[in-house]
Amino acid sequence: AQTVTQSQPEMSVQEAETVTLSCTYDTSESDYYLFWYKQPPSRQMILVIRQEAYKQQNATENRFSVNFQKAAKSFSLKISDSQLGDAAMYFCAYWGSQGNLIFGKGTKLSVKP
Amino acid sequence: EAGVAQSPRYKIIEKRQSVAFWCNPISGHATLYWYQQILGQGPKLLIQFQNNGVVDDSQLPKDRFSAERLKGVDSTLKIQPAKLEDSAVYLCASSLSLVPYNEQFFGPGTRLTVL
Repeated sequence: AQTVTQSQPEMSVQEAETVTLSCTYDTSESDYYLFWYKQPPSRQMILVIRQEAYKQQNATENRFSVNFQKAAKSFSLKISDSQLGDAAMYFCAYWGSQGNLIFGKGTKLSVKP
Repeated sequence: EAGVAQSPRYKIIEKRQSVAFWCNPISGHATLYWYQQILGQGPKLLIQFQNNGVVDDSQLPKDRFSAERLKGVDSTLKIQPAKLEDSAVYLCASSLSLVPYNEQFFGPGTRLTVL
């Protein structure tokens, strides 16, 4: 069975600085998708960024980018120019042949002004 | 475009009581998901529907949980009888179809406390 591990329960970053959140996953599949979701304190989860495993190029969405290392089964999220509104829980998720999302336990990101 | 609606937002019940949650997905979204999010953990899928048919309910505790999506639009999730360990946030999500590149849109969730 596939698993997703987020080893950093909490992270902190200074406003305008850069932070990287880590995620590793375990799978024997070669075709899958990876996602980062953000869950602000209001609890409505939103998609931040997605990566298709067959694409070698790392996905980028404005200030958010990923470092996808398929061989190492690693999928980290980099947030550049951190803003106060980035403070939230961040969840890494995997979608494979099982046909649904498997989430990690999350990383709580705090942004200091 | 209206988002995924859920009600109630909060519910407190005694153990062994029954409770029901309601979800109205985004219009036109064929796929609907129910997740359970226990404090300090990521969401765990309970059941997913494609239109009004069940695609996956392998993690739904069927002795006490049930869900339906009549007419392929809104959905209800029921717990009967509730246990203390059912205390969690229940999230509903929807997507255009059952493919990974279709973004899942989440509702605000229902926080259930079982005393």
